[in-house]
Amino acid sequence: EVQLVESGGGLVQPGGSLRLSCAASGFTFSTRWMSWVRQAPGKGLEWVVNMKYDGSDIGYVDSVRGRFTVSRDNARNSLYLQMNSLRVEDTAVYYCVRMGSLDLRRTGDQWGLGTLVTVTS
Amino acid sequence: DIQMTQSPSSVSASVGDRVTITCRASQGVDTWLAWYQQRPGRPLQLLIYAASTLQTGVPSRFSGSGSGTHFTLTISSLQPEDFATYYCQQAGDYPYTFGQGTRLEIK
Repeated sequence: EVQLVESGGGLVQPGGSLRLSCAASGFTFSTRWMSWVRQAPGKGLEWVVNMKYDGSDIGYVDSVRGRFTVSRDNARNSLYLQMNSLRVEDTAVYYCVRMGSLDLRRTGDQWGLGTLVTVTS
Repeated sequence: DIQMTQSPSSVSASVGDRVTITCRASQGVDTWLAWYQQRPGRPLQLLIYAASTLQTGVPSRFSGSGSGTHFTLTISSLQPEDFATYYCQQAGDYPYTFGQGTRLEIK
């Protein structure tokens, strides 16, 4: 069974930093693109970043580029999101998403339950 | 960025009803369009990919159609578990973007 378990969310002040983790299991992590998607409270979904299985291709949404850094450790089946210079508007549930393969590429075929990040003074 | 506009933003319906949700892209995305279902306490679920292909395990009452800029998700006969929020997502160009969501409520 595929599992994606996010952790690391919490309360942080504007300008602060937080590191999110996603523990993956039930599939060959090293062969899949992975993403982070976020959802502000009561709002819709926003794609934050995509990362190729070997780390050689990464794409950020403009609103986080230069502040957030995605990484992965294929030996530990883990995806990370380092978030710096956090802003109030970064407050959201952050979802770890496995991207599909072949015909399902560019599609999130498995999602975690998310971890809540709250940026407030 | 490609803007995705879903309509309606909410809809009330009864068990057994047929419901159609529309998603329009601000520019063509070919068939790079997916539909997701979000229910409280559950991971988001992929329903449809490539505009019209049913994801494995998803009931056949769900169907998708369209290409280019106009897409639809149809639920042929609503079941109690279908009352949820639905999102379209384009993957024709990065950054991938979502519609604002359609909340499907019980009448």
